[in-house]
Amino acid sequence: GAGVSQSPSNKVTEKGKDVELRCDPISGHTALYWYRQSLGQGLEFLIYFQGNSAPDKSGLPSDRFSAERTGGSVSTLTIQRTQQEDSAVYLCASSSIGGRGNTQYFGPGTRLTVL
Amino acid sequence: QKEVEQDPGPLSVPEGAIVSLNCTYSNSAFQYFMWYRQYSRKGPELLMYTYSSGNKEDGRFTAQVDKSSKYISLFIRDSQPSDSATYLCAMSANAGNNRKLIWGLGTSLAVNP
Repeated sequence: GAGVSQSPSNKVTEKGKDVELRCDPISGHTALYWYRQSLGQGLEFLIYFQGNSAPDKSGLPSDRFSAERTGGSVSTLTIQRTQQEDSAVYLCASSSIGGRGNTQYFGPGTRLTVL
Repeated sequence: QKEVEQDPGPLSVPEGAIVSLNCTYSNSAFQYFMWYRQYSRKGPELLMYTYSSGNKEDGRFTAQVDKSSKYISLFIRDSQPSDSATYLCAMSANAGNNRKLIWGLGTSLAVNP
């Protein structure tokens, strides 16, 4: 059983460009989360998908950030017109209903650097 | 005040020491408590999971929850250099459809040989 995978592992882009980050959750997991992790800032919740319900977008920092989850599986986080403050590690996690509490399983992250 | 407070450290101990990591929280509704370990340039991985109060032991690791004090701890016995990582506490109020975890900032631990 494969874990959560993310691509690319590293992304360097220029200020103002758009980027797309991909997450493949664990098969069968209905919940998917995106977080941002900056040095000394801990895990910042961005967005949460649960099955066919409307996503919880309450953590998205601006309208430049958006995310989709197609077919209840793969998710893409898009950042438009990237800024230097967007530089961080973007982590994806998935979990299952009935699992231990809200146990989340994380991917290795995408390290985004905006020059 | 943050819902979950965790001293970021860094904490540096010699190999073989007993390590105590702690989080305090303010929401009395929390009843699911987790400790995650995160190695450098990796995603967090679940280390310990506890429901409600009490202790849970797994090898060299013991998780304690004191709901009356709103305080959770992770103890590492006979610490090893391979335990060097950042340890994050996380907690939530329920296991239903609202599955958002509230996270501590993480404590950086270095175990020196």
